[in-house]
Amino acid sequence: DVKVTQSSRYLVKRTGEKVFLECVQDMDHENMFWYRQDPGLGLRLIYFSYDVKMKEKGDIPEGYSVSREKKERFSLILESASTNQTSMYLCASSLPGYGYTFGSGTRLTVV
Amino acid sequence: QKEVEQNSGPLSVPEGAIASLNCTYSDRGSQSFFWYRQYSGKSPELIMSIYSNGDKEDGRFTAQLNKASQYVSLLIRDSQPSDSATYLCASLSSGSARQLTFGSGTQLTVLP
Repeated sequence: DVKVTQSSRYLVKRTGEKVFLECVQDMDHENMFWYRQDPGLGLRLIYFSYDVKMKEKGDIPEGYSVSREKKERFSLILESASTNQTSMYLCASSLPGYGYTFGSGTRLTVV
Repeated sequence: QKEVEQNSGPLSVPEGAIASLNCTYSDRGSQSFFWYRQYSGKSPELIMSIYSNGDKEDGRFTAQLNKASQYVSLLIRDSQPSDSATYLCASLSSGSARQLTFGSGTQLTVLP
C-alpha cells in the first residue's frame, strides 16, 4: 500500500513563526497536493506539484509556499504563521488518472 | 468553475438499512470518480473508485455512475454504526486528469 507520511500529527506554533510541514510518500507518485480542511469549508487546495521542482498555486495559496526538491517529499511552509492558519493540513499523492492517497493529517494550532 | 455537489445531510439510517449517498458533477468530461470516507478528526480514506457507467460492487459498498445524468451514488448495504462518517465524492478533472474536485461531503449516522 502507498504510504503518505506527515511529519507531525499535532503542532502548536506561535504567531509570526515560520512553520514547516513535511510530507513524504513511498510509491513514486508524480502528483502531490497540500489541502487545508476547516469545519463547514471542506477541502481547500493550497498548492500542488506534478514533478520535482514544479509547483502550482491552488485556490488559497496566500501566506503559504512549498518546496519539492525530491520526488517523494513535498513541504508546506507557513512564512509567518497567523491565527487564521489554525487548521487541519492534509497532504495527498497520486498517479495521473487515479485517486489520491492522503496522509494522516497535521492539526496545526497557531497561538 | 467545475463543481461536485453533495447533499450535506446529516443523513441518519437505522442499523441494517441501506444508506444511499448521492453526488452530481458539472464537468461533463470527467471520466473517473471516487468515494472517500472520513471519520471525525481523521484523514479521508479511499473506499471506492468507478470509471464506467453502471454499478461497481465491493463488499457492502456499491458505487453507481450515470454519465448521461452526471450522477454518482454510493450505496452501503447492511449499514453498521462503524459506517458513521462523512463521505466525500470526488471527480477527476477532464483537463489534466491529475487533480480531484471534491464535494463538501455528506455526514452519515447509523443508529444502533
